[in-house]
Amino acid sequence: AQSVTQLGSHVSVSEGALVLLRCNYSSSVPPYLFWYVQYPNQGLQLLLKYTSAATLVKGINGFEAEFKKSETSFHLTKPSAHMSDAAEYFCAVSDPLGGGGNKLTFGTGTQLKVEL
Amino acid sequence: DADVTQTPRNRITKTGKRIMLECSQTKGHDRMYWYRQDPGLGLRLIYYSFDVKDINKGEISDGYSVSRQAQAKFSLSLESAIPNQTALYFCATSASGSYEQYFGPGTRLTVT
Repeated sequence: AQSVTQLGSHVSVSEGALVLLRCNYSSSVPPYLFWYVQYPNQGLQLLLKYTSAATLVKGINGFEAEFKKSETSFHLTKPSAHMSDAAEYFCAVSDPLGGGGNKLTFGTGTQLKVEL
Repeated sequence: DADVTQTPRNRITKTGKRIMLECSQTKGHDRMYWYRQDPGLGLRLIYYSFDVKDINKGEISDGYSVSRQAQAKFSLSLESAIPNQTALYFCATSASGSYEQYFGPGTRLTVT
């Protein structure tokens, strides 16, 4: 079974500082990977996805993530944090063999706080 | 208009009551999912459906049932609600062959 670990349930950065949210997956076969963002009182919105093409993936709102097979990681970064980035971020992994109805397994989430 | 809608958005109910949460989508997707979100636990899959005739249990289906009334509608029922079913519930959809899921705004359910 696929699993995903997000290190740090809460991350706090200053406005303008680098954002780094960590995600590691466990899979013997490279899966598809996703980052979703959840703003207060809203559903999840897709930020970006890795589907075995380019290892550096660019998403919305200036976020990007790099797939590193050797480290089984898919960390999310943004060079300069903005107050509007404050939200909860979820990493998710698919079953790369395609079984199970396109299911995603989600991490436990990282709450990002941006301070002035 | 939102592509994935959920009703109600908020609901407070008492232990033992039956309650239904509804999800509708206009994306034309075949696949629909129900998740619950609890603080610190992320999203956990309750049920998923490939199409109207195909419904499958997820990792935490006990105490829940679902109905796929049409391609666009997928309902989640709690036959006899209990307090530990207090959570935020999300419906999601995806196209056949795609892992990308699209989420509704969620239903906040409180069982007292």
